[in-house]
Amino acid sequence: AQRVTQPEKLLSVFKGAPVELKCNYSYSGSPELFWYVQYSRQRLQLLLRHISRESIKGFTADLNKGETSFHLKKPFAQEEDSAMYYCALSYYNTDKLIFGTGTRLQVFP
Amino acid sequence: KAGVTQTPRYLIKTRGQQVTLSCSPISGHRSVSWYQQTPGQGLQFLFEYFSETQRNKGNFPGRFSGRQFSNSRSEMNVSTLELGDSALYLCASSSVGTENTGELFFGEGSRLTVL
Repeated sequence: AQRVTQPEKLLSVFKGAPVELKCNYSYSGSPELFWYVQYSRQRLQLLLRHISRESIKGFTADLNKGETSFHLKKPFAQEEDSAMYYCALSYYNTDKLIFGTGTRLQVFP
Repeated sequence: KAGVTQTPRYLIKTRGQQVTLSCSPISGHRSVSWYQQTPGQGLQFLFEYFSETQRNKGNFPGRFSGRQFSNSRSEMNVSTLELGDSALYLCASSSVGTENTGELFFGEGSRLTVL
């Protein structure tokens, strides 16, 4: 069955520290993976997707098919990065997304 | 462009009643999908509609139904409400068929409380 696992419910770091939010998936096809973010009092929004291989707000994520992982990384966390982060898998290139349970990132000053 | 609009934002119902939630997608977006968000289960896919046709359906009972109109607006209906249906219902739209596949634009949600 298709599944996305985010093992950490909460990740707390100090400003300037590196951040890695873990995401593992199980999927029988060729995966399309995404990171969505929800800042306080804002809508859920796309942060980045693996096919674009871009860095958004200093975040990057590399798809590792061997380890079936798509971890989100940032070398130096900022307070404004505090939010809820969701890893998601697109079901055979449709808008059916399978979400992980989310990781709350807290960045302390 | 105006974002995805959902109405009503909040509603309270009692067990056994039914509810209809509405979603207006971003102008030009033809794909609308619905998600249920709860503290226990997280974000779960309900349905996906494209050009008035249901393309995918999640693992929810038949009490949950939806439809899409010719102007891409969508509604979802939950009949015979149960306490466990209390949740935030999120609607999302996308421009399917372009390189933006998978980029969903979410509404603020309709928060349903079942008493």
